[in-house]
Parts: sequence; C-alpha cells; structure tokens
Amino acid sequence: EMRLVESGGGLVKPGGSLRLSCTLSGFTVSGNYISWVRQSQGKGLEWVSIIYTIGTTYYADSVKGRFLISKHTSDDTLFLQMNNLKPDDSGVYYCARGGWQKPFDLWGPGTRLTVSS
Amino acid sequence: QTVVIQEPSMSVSPGGTVTLTCGLQSASMSTNWYPGWYRQMPGQPPRAIIFSTSTRPSGVPERFSGSILGSKAALTITGALADDEGDYYCVVYRGSGISVFGGGTTLTVL
Repeated sequence: EMRLVESGGGLVKPGGSLRLSCTLSGFTVSGNYISWVRQSQGKGLEWVSIIYTIGTTYYADSVKGRFLISKHTSDDTLFLQMNNLKPDDSGVYYCARGGWQKPFDLWGPGTRLTVSS
Repeated sequence: QTVVIQEPSMSVSPGGTVTLTCGLQSASMSTNWYPGWYRQMPGQPPRAIIFSTSTRPSGVPERFSGSILGSKAALTITGALADDEGDYYCVVYRGSGISVFGGGTTLTVL
C-alpha cells in the first residue's frame, strides 16, 4: 500500500525553527515529485514547496528564504526545515505526491504546527 | 502574483447539477495551467477529483467532470448526492515549479 505519513509538528515560538518529516511507503522519494501543502485552521490550502525527482526545489513566495525542502533517498523520507517561523505559518502541513504538472494524488494525514508565544 | 478565484459557496439539490468555477485574476484559464480539483471533508486530507483540466483519477465517479468554460476551469457534478458535500479546491500550475490553490468552494447539497 502506498502511503505518506508526516511527523514533527508541534508548538514553536515566533522566530523559532522546526523540521517536519514525511515518510513514504510503497513508493520511492527518488521516483516521484513530492510537495508540502499547508492549511491554516479553518482556511484554505496553500502550496508550500516541491522537490523534483532530480532534486530541484521550488518554494511559495511566503516561505522562500525561510523553508528548505530536502529528501533522503536511502530511507524514502522527505523533510521540511522551517526557520524564522511566524504565527501565519501555523496550520496543518501535508506532504503530497505530485505537483509541477502532476496531480496531488496521494496525501498524508498531516501534522500540525502552531507558532505562538 | 497568481490569484485563483473560486465561489465561496454553492448549493445544489439532490439529483441536480452544479458547476463550480475556477478563474485567474489576471489571465484566462486554459489547459496550459493544468487546473485540478480536490475535495476535502472535515478533518481529512484533500482527495483528487479532476486533474489536468478533465482527467478523472481511478475511483472517482463519472458524475464529476472537468472542463474549460469560457475563461475559467469548471467542475460539474451531475446528479449530486448528499455525499458530495464538502470543500472543493481548485489548483493550477503557475510554472517554475509553483502551484497555486484557490480559496475553495463549500458545496452544500440540500
């Protein structure tokens, strides 16, 4: 069965850092485009970042320069390093297979980040 | 900046037909934007309903169809069921690796 499972969410103070993880099973991080998508409480979806099969990365303007997406092909894990966090970064973070011109066809259950003092 | 515009809410009667639309603030929608549609139920991650304008993933009922209508992408539900209620999000591919979601449409079946 193909799955993605996020972890690493929690409570962080403004200006702090956190790293989210996304563990893949049933398919490989090296063979797929994987994105991070977030959703603030009671609000809509916001695409955050993508990493291509070849390792190319892109970011939404709202997180560029603060977030870093990466992957470990050895254990099929995706990461999102988040620095200089702001309250507006709070929400549920999903990793999803897809992005670029491909559909987001597989989603994890999400992990929640709260940025608050 | 790419802004994707959706109706905040729509309603449809059971068995009826409803069309949700997805437009761009500063351009006309086309297949080149690879518009997709996702449905989200409370507490759940989104699920793909339509991708690349009109392609239905396996397992999505035929009552869901996607198209370009005029200058917008459209999701049409024909023969709506109570189970079709939820939040529907449009997403487009802006280029340079970047995707942009619309604000979502809350669909009520009543």
